[in-house]
Amino acid sequence: AQKITQTQPGMFVQEKEAVTLDCTYDTSDQSYGLFWYKQPSSGEMIFLIYQGSYDEQNATEGRYSLNFQKARKSANLVISASQLGDSAMYFCAMREENSGYSTLTFGKGTMLLVSP
Amino acid sequence: GAVVSQHPSWVICKSGTSVKIECRSLDFQATTMFWYRQFPKQSLMLMATSNEGSKATYEQGVEKDKFLINHASLTLSTLTVTSAHPEDSSFYICSARYRFQETQYFGPGTRLLVL
Repeated sequence: AQKITQTQPGMFVQEKEAVTLDCTYDTSDQSYGLFWYKQPSSGEMIFLIYQGSYDEQNATEGRYSLNFQKARKSANLVISASQLGDSAMYFCAMREENSGYSTLTFGKGTMLLVSP
Repeated sequence: GAVVSQHPSWVICKSGTSVKIECRSLDFQATTMFWYRQFPKQSLMLMATSNEGSKATYEQGVEKDKFLINHASLTLSTLTVTSAHPEDSSFYICSARYRFQETQYFGPGTRLLVL
């Protein structure tokens, strides 16, 4: 069963506007972590933001914030004041415990295009 | 954030040859390193997890004899694709994590093309 779901294959936004990228997850663990990574066309995976399941406050990192709704099992990424350089693939990921070590499971990604 | 390097960034080889990819953590000690494969327009798929000084743990469906992983030190892990075939052509990307950290930091990736 798919554990991370990103329902938006692609999103368009105009420069300086805010955009929300959706992510829902499925887990029966009490302790888990949620991540967002950005992958530009060069291929590198850039860590953006992390939210722990026990964190009461939504995580924020500069223009990135994570809208964490635990009951709904959603962890949407909000990018404020979009910039042209934000155009990239965005992946949501969840940390899972697996036989004593933790791994990341990634969603299928959302391609974000920022226009002038 | 932490810096992870990968070498080479590009490799083209003939079918049947073996290719070694290095992953290094440059400014921290990586107790755990991960190897992923990404096909075009798809997500990252975890291949294996390696802890320093112990054997790698492979995900289901990944042949351990074909994808040899060595994590000999706290800053270096290598992935060797043995007897590469065209279907092994992909983007291979490693990540590293320190024991007490949550976040995995990724290398820039290696594009492998097997002719």
